[in-house]
Amino acid sequence: EVELTQSPGTLSLSPGETATLSCRASEKVRGNFLAWYQQKPGQTPRLLIFGASFRATGIVERFSGSGSETDFTLTISRLEPEDFAMYYCQQYGSSPHTFGQGTKVE
Amino acid sequence: EVQFVQSGAEMKKPGESLKISCKGSGYKFANFWIGWVRQRPGKGLEWMGVIYAGDSETRYGPSFQGEVTISVDKDISTAYLQIKNLKASDTAIYYCGRSNWGFDYWGQGTPVSVSS
Repeated sequence: EVELTQSPGTLSLSPGETATLSCRASEKVRGNFLAWYQQKPGQTPRLLIFGASFRATGIVERFSGSGSETDFTLTISRLEPEDFAMYYCQQYGSSPHTFGQGTKVE
Repeated sequence: EVQFVQSGAEMKKPGESLKISCKGSGYKFANFWIGWVRQRPGKGLEWMGVIYAGDSETRYGPSFQGEVTISVDKDISTAYLQIKNLKASDTAIYYCGRSNWGFDYWGQGTPVSVSS
């Protein structure tokens, strides 16, 4: 099973700043099949990034993903008030398609 | 428009059973995997398993193997999650979604409360 470790647990920033979230895998993620999700309180998760760096439909350019093999990053540029939320990474290269434990951007 | 509609909230007692439904629409249901995700109160997302709607091939996460059953009826574009012998620790929101380069579409979630 591929374990994903997200850091930091909490990121305290102000609107306009840049958020850098890390997701580290215990082994190489096959095909760089790594996704990022945003979840706001009381809401369903929303896919932001798939394939490590491809924005999902309707996702603004402020969200970008990078990385490969075991180290992945989600960058949120020029934070807007609506970006303050929980963020999860998920690998879907091998079963089980594990999630990281999440990073809260506050 | 791709959409998933899940069955409503459930309140159960320990030892009872549960079957949640997830109806997909707006795309060719049989051509995709459908997955289930658990989120306990205040906790993160846990991948439970997936099923291929076309032939019912199923894969489970290790923590859920033998504990839950995922099934599908492609004729009515509906996937199911069954949990038997419920425990208090099964209290959670259960989400279904289309497993396609990650979960690209999600159901609204089904809250389940297990309490005596």
